[in-house]
Parts: sequence; structure tokens; C-alpha cells
Amino acid sequence: DQQVKQNSPSLSVQEGRISILNCDYTNSMFDYFLWYKKYPAEGPTFLISISSIKDKNEDGRFTVLNKSAKHLSLHIVPSQPGDSAVYFCAANSRLTFGEGTQLTVNP
Amino acid sequence: GAVVSQHPSRVICKSGTSVKIECRSLDFQATTMFWYRQFPKQSLMLMATSNEGSKATYEQGVEKDKFLINHASLTLSTLTVTSAHPEDSSFYICSARRPRTGGSGYTFGSGTRLTVV
Repeated sequence: DQQVKQNSPSLSVQEGRISILNCDYTNSMFDYFLWYKKYPAEGPTFLISISSIKDKNEDGRFTVLNKSAKHLSLHIVPSQPGDSAVYFCAANSRLTFGEGTQLTVNP
Repeated sequence: GAVVSQHPSRVICKSGTSVKIECRSLDFQATTMFWYRQFPKQSLMLMATSNEGSKATYEQGVEKDKFLINHASLTLSTLTVTSAHPEDSSFYICSARRPRTGGSGYTFGSGTRLTVV
């Protein structure tokens, strides 16, 4: 039972444009969400997080929105080629991860 | 910042042998560490929670006799894949949480690519 779902396995955007990565969850007990970035053959690195009681958190080019029921989105603007990686959404219940979305930012 | 070191980064072993993977927290003490497994193009799946000085807690479906976890000190947890088979080939990642931090305090090792031939 996949409690955290990232339904888009891949996303391709042009440099300078906005990247929007989506995450849905089913467990209403989740109260804290995190986004991680992962390069091949490396461990994930923390990007940004949000509490379930907040609807927005910003950190530089990265914004996470929590405005819809059981749905989160990570916005990256402007997107840069170095942002190309797999992005995982995770819920803070022993870090239950989504399947990840491969983001490719084209120059 | 907090650093978690994982070793080896890559290992190839013969079927039937055992392989040990180490996870060290370099600049903080971690009473709890976590072991994940990732298959190609899939999510990171939590295998077990390693507790310093006590037995590990395994997730459902993970064989504790096959994946032995030892957390003998506050800075070291080891995962031993015993009697490895080709289906155990995967990417194994550990993580630890810095003390007195929230969810963002999880730091991951760089992972170990295990190939069983």
C-alpha cells in the first residue's frame, strides 16, 4: 500500500521556467512532509519541508505548497540544469517515501 | 553540518557469501539509524530501524535473519546481508537523525550498490 504517491515518474522543463512536482498521500496521520533531491548512486539530500498545518514554505527558489487536501507540490523557479535529479516526497512517519519524479531541466 | 558516512559505496559478491555495510554518523551521536533499500526507478523502502544497544525493528516482509543489523555504538550501525542471492542486488542507504531536530534532521549516507553474482 503506497501511502505517499508521486504519480509523475518524469518531468521535463526548460531552463528558467517553473518546475512543479506533485505528491499525494493517503494517511491522514501524516503531519510533516519533506522533499529530497537525489542524484544517481548517492543518498538523498534534504531540500525543504512543511508541517501539515502550514500551507506554504519558501526557501530561495524552492516553495512547497500544502493547499489541497492530501496533496503537496514542490515548485522550483527558475529551474536550472543543475536541478536535474530525482525528487522524492516523504512523510515524517519513519520517512515514508513516494516513488520519486525524475526532473530534467533542459538548457 | 551533520555527516553520515556509508561504506563501501559499491560491492560485488558471490552468491552465498555475506556482505557487511557500515553506516557512521561522523559528527553527532545517533541512537537511531534507518536502513533503506531502493530498486531501480522505485521508491526508497524502509527495511529496518536500528536502535543503539537493542534489537533492530524490522518492517513487515523483511527477513531479520537475512538482513542482520547491529548498532553497537552511538555512531555506528552495520547491515549484514547474509547468504546473498542475486535478488538481493540493490542500492542500500542508511540514514540517521540529528538529536533534537525535526523531520528535516535526517541525514542520509551516500548509499551502497550491492551486486550479487
